[in-house]
Amino acid sequence: AQTVTQSQPEMSVQEAETVTLSCTYDTSENNYYLFWYKQPPSRQMILVIRQEAYKQQNATENRFSVNFQKAAKSFSLKISDSQLGDTAMYFCAFMKHGGGGATNKLIFGTGTLLAVQP
Amino acid sequence: GAVVSQHPSRVICKSGTSVKIECRSLDFQATTMFWYRQFPKQSLMLMATSNEGSKATYEQGVEKDKFLINHASLTLSTLTVTSAHPEDSSFYICSARDPGGIWTQYFGPGTRLLVL
Repeated sequence: AQTVTQSQPEMSVQEAETVTLSCTYDTSENNYYLFWYKQPPSRQMILVIRQEAYKQQNATENRFSVNFQKAAKSFSLKISDSQLGDTAMYFCAFMKHGGGGATNKLIFGTGTLLAVQP
Repeated sequence: GAVVSQHPSRVICKSGTSVKIECRSLDFQATTMFWYRQFPKQSLMLMATSNEGSKATYEQGVEKDKFLINHASLTLSTLTVTSAHPEDSSFYICSARDPGGIWTQYFGPGTRLLVL
């Protein structure tokens, strides 16, 4: 069974600084997707970034980038130029590739609460 | 694109009544939708996977007779909490999988259920 571990329950960063959130996972699968979702106080889950395991190049989306280390099963999220609106719970998630229906379920980590300080 | 709506956003009901929550994909067809439950300051717990035109697949420990799921069309899935009790009070979130391209799940805004 797949597991996702986020070892940092809470983190804090000053506005405009850079912060890295850690995520490790365990799987025997070779083809899968990894995601970072953000859940602000409104509780709406928002996709931040995704990575296909077969791609060696790290995904980037504006100020958000990942460091994907497949052999180490590590998938960290870097937020550059942190903004107050980045304050949220961040969840790392794993999804097995292929099949359909129930096989495409997301497995979430326990989350990291990020506070951006002014 | 990839917008998922949920209705209602908040519901308060009396113990013993049933509550229906709707999840709609607004701009894409979702053959698969997912229902999650989230307790305060905790992660999302998958309850069931809803497949259009077939029976839902429930996670271990989730009572299928308690949480009825119907996925009658490619854009609508419903979760009915039957004979609700205070311990069913929680935040319920649905997501829909967009099969085009990368199979990403897009989430609804959630429904807060309070059972008195």
